[in-house]
Amino acid sequence: NAGVMQNPRHLVRRRGQEARLRCSPMKGHSHVYWYRQLPEEGLKFMVYLQKENIIDESGMPKERFSAEFPKEGPSILRIQQVVRGDSAAYFCASSATGGFGGTQYFGPGTRLLVL
Amino acid sequence: EDKVVQSPLSLVVHEGDTVTLNCSYEVTNFRSLLWYKQEKKAPTFLFMLTSSGIEKKSGRLSSILDKKELFSILNITATQTGDSAIYLCAVEGGYGGSQGNLIFGKGTKLSVKP
Repeated sequence: NAGVMQNPRHLVRRRGQEARLRCSPMKGHSHVYWYRQLPEEGLKFMVYLQKENIIDESGMPKERFSAEFPKEGPSILRIQQVVRGDSAAYFCASSATGGFGGTQYFGPGTRLLVL
Repeated sequence: EDKVVQSPLSLVVHEGDTVTLNCSYEVTNFRSLLWYKQEKKAPTFLFMLTSSGIEKKSGRLSSILDKKELFSILNITATQTGDSAIYLCAVEGGYGGSQGNLIFGKGTKLSVKP
């Protein structure tokens, strides 16, 4: 029973580069959520996706950030032209049912460091 | 603005002590409140609470929700060093269009000394 998988676990990028973070949900889960945790801060919701659809992206920065969850393969959070302020832990969660009431199970996170 | 506030932010106790962690919230369209334990890796799910006054228990951990006063507590009895972690409180709710995203508090860092 593999849980939510995220890779890479650690990612180092220089300013201006692109970062791609991957998330494979738990088996049988088709709902994926991305959260960001800044140092000394709580987790902040970014985006909620179902297969091939973005359901809610109200927490996503309007520029440089995008997310997808294709029909096949993992969900990807993409950050273009990274800046130092993007350094954070990015967590992915998945649930079996979407919307309210579906318990979210979290992956181990990707720690992004922008030099 | 929706918010979840946890207290204390950090806590140091000795093995065997009992601790109570607090979580208060102001969230529109409240649906549920969840507790997670975060060690070095993924936050792991502890409890989901939807109804007031019904205690949920799992071993030495228990939690209860008060929807009138808008808070929840997480109790840990007979603490062990393995309980050392950050305990996260999250509320499911928010404005229309925000389906299922969780609003997290900053967490309570619990350290249990031998």
